Amino acid sequence: DTGVSQDPRHKITKRGQNVTFRCDPISEHNRLYWYRQTLGQGPEFLTYFQNEAQLEKSRLLSDRFSAERPKGSFSTLEIQRTEQGDSAMYLCASRQAGEQYEQYFGPGTRLTVT
Amino acid sequence: AQSVTQPDIHITVSEGASLELRCNYSYGATPYLFWYVQSPGQGLQLLLKYFSGDTLVQGIKGFEAEFKRSQSSFNLRKPSVHWSDAAEYFCAVGAERDDKIIFGKGTRLHILP
Repeated sequence: DTGVSQDPRHKITKRGQNVTFRCDPISEHNRLYWYRQTLGQGPEFLTYFQNEAQLEKSRLLSDRFSAERPKGSFSTLEIQRTEQGDSAMYLCASRQAGEQYEQYFGPGTRLTVT
Repeated sequence: AQSVTQPDIHITVSEGASLELRCNYSYGATPYLFWYVQSPGQGLQLLLKYFSGDTLVQGIKGFEAEFKRSQSSFNLRKPSVHWSDAAEYFCAVGAERDDKIIFGKGTRLHILP
């Protein structure tokens, strides 16, 4: 059972640097989601894809954030010109459209911006 | 607006005692409801879900939850907690036509030996 995987698990970067995270969903899942979780909060929706199409973006996803899923398999989330407020856990989830809605979550990437 | 409220930020119970974690939601459509658990450094694991039908839902690890439409609640229960249940618990709501899940802020469960 190869669940959702995320890489890296931890990233420390200096303010102003760019970072990129990768998510590999469960192989047969065509929907992929990104969430952000800050300390003491529940996960907040950022964006999601069906295959390679990005179908919805949250207002939380500023212009510095970009997500791609070029071949409908893995996805990347890039943050440009990182700010301290970007420090958070970035969670990826996937599911198969048509099934009863359950999203399977990866372990997350913890970003620390110094 | 869609929202989930978990009124208890922290709960402490003794090992072997019963547990109830509260969750209230606000959602315009017929909701899908979830409880997830997150251990330190881990991702989210689904404990149970409600889509329709029987309002008492059984989940993994001995947890159950009851959907009460009149109270807009979906409380999580366990008759006897184990030390390994110490974790953060998130209630969440979604809907068939709205593909994102809205999470509450979580309840951290502490277990006394």
